[in-house]
Formats: sequence, C-alpha cells, structure tokens
Amino acid sequence: AQSVTQLGSHVSVSEGALVLLRCNYSSSVPPYLFWYVQYPNQGLQLLLKYTTGATLVKGINGFEAEFKKSETSFHLTKPSAHMSDAAEYFCAVSEGGSQGNLIFGKGTKLSVKP
Amino acid sequence: KAGVTQTPRYLIKTRGQQVTLSCSPISGHRSVSWYQQTPGQGLQFLFEYFSETQRNKGNFPGRFSGRQFSNSRSEMNVSTLELGDSALYLCASKAPPAGGYEQYFGPGTRLTVT
Repeated sequence: AQSVTQLGSHVSVSEGALVLLRCNYSSSVPPYLFWYVQYPNQGLQLLLKYTTGATLVKGINGFEAEFKKSETSFHLTKPSAHMSDAAEYFCAVSEGGSQGNLIFGKGTKLSVKP
Repeated sequence: KAGVTQTPRYLIKTRGQQVTLSCSPISGHRSVSWYQQTPGQGLQFLFEYFSETQRNKGNFPGRFSGRQFSNSRSEMNVSTLELGDSALYLCASKAPPAGGYEQYFGPGTRLTVT
C-alpha cells in the first residue's frame, strides 16, 4: 500500500529565509507525486507535480521539488519565504498511477515571521 | 474556465439526520472524487465517479454514498449522521489524459454535526 510521511507538522521560517518541507513516500509502483497548498477556509491548490521525466519540478509561486527515487523523497523548497506563503502544505501520492486517487500526508503548517 | 464549485459551503445538521452535498466539476472533466478532511485523520479518499459509475472507493462505512449525473455533476450523501462526520468535504475533478490527470479541488463544504 502506498503512503506519505511529512516530517514536521509545523515549520516556522523568517521572511526571506529558505523554505524546506519534507515528504517521503512509499509506493510499489512508479509514483505520481504532488504538492498542494491550502489557505484557511479554502480548498487545495496544486503547487506542482511529478509524473515522469525531469526529477526537478518547478511549480507556482516560486516553489520547486526534487524527486529522489533512492531516498523515496519529494521535498518542497522555496529559496526565499514570503508572508503570503503562510499556509498548510500537503504532499500526496497517486495510488495506481495516473488515474488513481490521492493519498495525502498529514500536512505541514508553514508560518512565516516578519 | 470556471473552477470546481461545491454547494452549500456551510451546513449544520443534527445527529441522526442525513445530508446531501453537491459538486460541479470543471467543464469537460468527467471524473469527480470526494475527500473528507478532519483535524485528526487528515485528508481521506471517499470515492470517485467517472461517467456516472463509481470507479474507486475508500474505506468508509456504507452511510457514505454518492452518485454522478450525466452532466458530470456529483452528489454525496451521508445518512444517519454522527458527531464524527463533522469535517470539511472536498470535491475534486480530474483533468482528462491530455490535461495530465491533475485533480482540481473545490472550496469544500464545512459540515458540522451537533
């Protein structure tokens, strides 16, 4: 069975600092991996995805993630945090490849200090 | 294109009642999935409908059911509500293969059971 582990339920960074949100997955098939962001009282917005090909994936709002098969990781990074990045971030793996449902991690709440 | 819409946005029900939530997918999307989000369990997959047929189902009791209409709109029903059913219910529509199978989420319906 596939699963996702997000290390750290809360991460706090200063404005302008590096953002690093960790995600490890377990999958018996080549994974489709996603990062979503959720702002208060809103649904989920797709930040970026990895399906096949280039392992460094660039997304919206300056975020990127690198798929590392040997480490079963898909960590999310952003070089310089902005106050508007404060939100909850979810890593997800697609069960059953391209058409499967999403299995989510528990989420990481990012706080950005001025 | 209009995004995924969900109605109602907020709902308060009493234990033992039933509730119906509605989801309209993005135009052209034929797959609709439902997820439950709670603080304790996180995001969990309920079921997926494609072309009016349930294609995939999560691990929820039979009190949770759904259906999809010919225009791809979907409804989910929860019968005999329990306090633990209080949650944010998210609907997601999936892009067709040419769109990369991405899932787009609606804003959710916040259900409170008292």
